[in-house]
Amino acid sequence: EPEVTQTPSHQVTQMGQEVILRCVPISNHLYFYWYRQILGQKVEFLVSFYNNEISEKSEIFDDQFSVERPDGSNFTLKIRSTKLEDSAMYFCASSRSNSPLHFGNGTRLTVT
Amino acid sequence: KNQVEQSPQSLIILEGKNCTLQCNYTVSPFSNLRWYKQDTGRGPVSLTIMTFSENTKSNGRYTATLDADTKQSSLHITASQLSDSASYICVVSENNQGGKLIFGQGTELSVKP
Repeated sequence: EPEVTQTPSHQVTQMGQEVILRCVPISNHLYFYWYRQILGQKVEFLVSFYNNEISEKSEIFDDQFSVERPDGSNFTLKIRSTKLEDSAMYFCASSRSNSPLHFGNGTRLTVT
Repeated sequence: KNQVEQSPQSLIILEGKNCTLQCNYTVSPFSNLRWYKQDTGRGPVSLTIMTFSENTKSNGRYTATLDADTKQSSLHITASQLSDSASYICVVSENNQGGKLIFGQGTELSVKP
């Protein structure tokens, strides 16, 4: 069964550094998403992406965050200047229209 | 504020027993309600998805119910197995695209032999 794959599985970075989290959505999906889960807390919506543009974003998704679909297969989340509070598990997901989201297994980001 | 609340926070049951997990939501507008299973260190996996007009939906040993009037849902697990140990998360969608999902805190289920 096709899967959403995310790399790396764990990223450690210093405060102020830029990070790029990578995702390969399921190939025939058209909608792409990023969510995050701070340890011990709920999963939170960050952003949705469709037709090469952001369709919706949350308050969390401020100017430090950006998303890109640089080619036909990858979907990336960039954090320009990481803060300690950015430490979390970041999940990528994809879907066809009104269908269940398929989540990747996440990238654990640790900001030191 | 749109919220999804789940109970209990955690639950321990013996293998083979049944259990029911609860979800209350205040999300409006409402498009659909989903139950996800999340194993430790993994991404959530969809179990069921129900729209406003659906009262119940089954997926194997999982049966979800929805009362859109009272804004309550339940997930019933029958004949539990050790592999059912996971976090079960109630998720509500405001719109048909399903992108901005609002997650509950989850119920941590532990099935013991």
